[in-house]
Amino acid sequence: GAGVSQTPSNKVTEKGKYVELRCDPISGHTALYWYRQSLGQGPEFLIYFQGTGAADDSGLPNDRFFAVRPEGSVSTLKIQRTERGDSAVYLCASSYNRGSYNEQFFGPGTRLTVL
Amino acid sequence: AQSVTQLDSQVPVFEEAPVELRCNYSSSVSVYLFWYVQYPNQGLQLLLKYLSGSTLVKGINGFEAEFNKSQTSFHLRKPSVHISDTAEYFCAVRWETGFQKLVFGTGTRLLVSP
Repeated sequence: GAGVSQTPSNKVTEKGKYVELRCDPISGHTALYWYRQSLGQGPEFLIYFQGTGAADDSGLPNDRFFAVRPEGSVSTLKIQRTERGDSAVYLCASSYNRGSYNEQFFGPGTRLTVL
Repeated sequence: AQSVTQLDSQVPVFEEAPVELRCNYSSSVSVYLFWYVQYPNQGLQLLLKYLSGSTLVKGINGFEAEFNKSQTSFHLRKPSVHISDTAEYFCAVRWETGFQKLVFGTGTRLLVSP
């Protein structure tokens, strides 16, 4: 079946602009996660949705970052007033939460470059 | 703070040689442990996981890892590597107190040469 998809695959923007990154989870997965992977680093957690609500947004770096999942499926990560330090690969993952362990399936990521 | 350490940023090895990629984490409270592989321009793929039970876990592509609670380690091993194993490998930990988020190490690049 289809895996997690993310669009666009690449996004180049200018400092100060607003960007939206989209994630389509695996059908039926109730949980959705956003991570950010900077060059030479491992992925860092940003936010976790259970259904439509953000269950844990402790990883969002500041108030320029915001994410929504209005219908409990597709999610959009929104970044306002982008800065060069926001350049990274943004990864989305989804899981079907059942019990204490839930394997996260990752998408290919969106590479964001802020000039 | 919860952290995951992968001390080796890069491990060069010849084809058919054994390899060990090291992973240590910061706390010995209940954890779930994972190794992911990332091939160039691809997403993360789960290699193996430790949830409970036997401390030696086997994964895909001939990889295995051993959970050592006293040393808070989860090292990845393969007895004989192939050229196709060249990739970035990430160790990740989920603490039972950390909701659902994974904490990743900085990754180890495995370079297999003929």
